[in-house]
Amino acid sequence: ETGVTQSPTHLIKTRGQQVTLRCSSQSGHNTVSWYQQALGQGPQFIFQYYREEENGRGNFPPRFSGLQFPNYSSELNVNALELDDSALYLCASSRRDRSADTQYFGPGTRLTVL
Amino acid sequence: KQEVTQIPAALSVPEGENLVLNCSFTDSAIYNLQWFRQDPGKGLTSLLLIQSSQREQTSGRLNASLDKSSGRSTLYIAASQPGDSATYLCAPLSGGGADGLTFGKGTHLIIQP
Repeated sequence: ETGVTQSPTHLIKTRGQQVTLRCSSQSGHNTVSWYQQALGQGPQFIFQYYREEENGRGNFPPRFSGLQFPNYSSELNVNALELDDSALYLCASSRRDRSADTQYFGPGTRLTVL
Repeated sequence: KQEVTQIPAALSVPEGENLVLNCSFTDSAIYNLQWFRQDPGKGLTSLLLIQSSQREQTSGRLNASLDKSSGRSTLYIAASQPGDSATYLCAPLSGGGADGLTFGKGTHLIIQP
């Protein structure tokens, strides 16, 4: 059983640019959630995808968007990058048909906005 | 809106001690609660998941308890080891699961050899 993977590991962008982060779910999982973790803080929920549709969203503006593909992999897109978007971005996968199932996290993508 | 508080924020103890980490949450309508550890700059490793109908869960030297009605969970670490040094995060799942996990700032734990 393969774990959750994310790419790239690190990324440096400048303010105003756009970025795409990628996540491959753990085998057998159909739900992907994305989280933003600023330095010294706990992760904050961005949104969740199930069956290729956004299923829930935290307090993040529309310039944060996502996709889920038929193979359950996912992308997080951030437009018009701001300095405060610098953070560790984590994705987590789980099985939606078992709503109380464990969420497994990937290693994260460290985004730096200059 | 769910809010999570973890006490203490930081803890440094000698190897071999038994530890208790505390987590409190404001909305008791949760589906489950997970405990994670995070090493510096890394992702989260799931330690234990407690279903809302359970009172406790054990894995090796770790034991987590849940009192949903009072909005509290504790993580007990027996016979601590230097390899246990990490940040420990608790995260309840609420809102039908679609609200995602809510995290506190965690407890930064250092086990001295």
